[in-house]
Amino acid sequence: QQQVKQSPQSLIVQKGGISIINCAYENTAFDYFPWYQQFPGKGPALLIAIRPDVSEKKEGRFTISFNKSAKQFSLHIMDSQPGDSATYFCAASGFQKLVFGTGTRLLVSP
Amino acid sequence: NAGVTQTPKFRVLKTGQSMTLLCAQDMNHEYMYWYRQDPGMGLRLIHYSVGEGTTAKGEVPDGYNVSRLKKQNFLLGLESAAPSQTSVYFCASTTTRARYEQYFGPGTRLTVT
Repeated sequence: QQQVKQSPQSLIVQKGGISIINCAYENTAFDYFPWYQQFPGKGPALLIAIRPDVSEKKEGRFTISFNKSAKQFSLHIMDSQPGDSATYFCAASGFQKLVFGTGTRLLVSP
Repeated sequence: NAGVTQTPKFRVLKTGQSMTLLCAQDMNHEYMYWYRQDPGMGLRLIHYSVGEGTTAKGEVPDGYNVSRLKKQNFLLGLESAAPSQTSVYFCASTTTRARYEQYFGPGTRLTVT
């Protein structure tokens, strides 16, 4: 099974708050777990990625937490800003391709 | 570097018409992909290519064909368009060294009436 399940579908966070998006996967053969950010009218762009042998990766205000035993990973956006308003996709890499989650539309209110 | 470019940006087709979407990349990437994006369904892989002259089916290949005659180009064809193919189409490319990092084009918005 190569599905990646993502939640929530949409999220509203106040400026300065923490945004949390969760994903779960089935196939243990995936070798990388990236997150992509997409602004309206644009293509997705890589935001941050993590290997399955690492439990956490932080880049600025963005952090991936990875739980290998539970087959779950999440994106945390600290001090969320209106400019972070976008659609976020989790993904799993393997078999020469990416499998994407269904996306989370994040709105950060001023 | 232009990165990944897609032609055209918008297109309206009538049911049964055919068209070709062109994707070009100038990063010398080996792998190229075609996705469609529909509300609530994320990005679904249509076809992909791991090198010049090779293609493979993705998750939703029916109704589409592809060709990769040159390394830098990946063409997506619709032989007989259907309203169910109304979508935003994205092309992406990547290298063998970092396959999780795909570079996406700006998309083509296709409407089939």
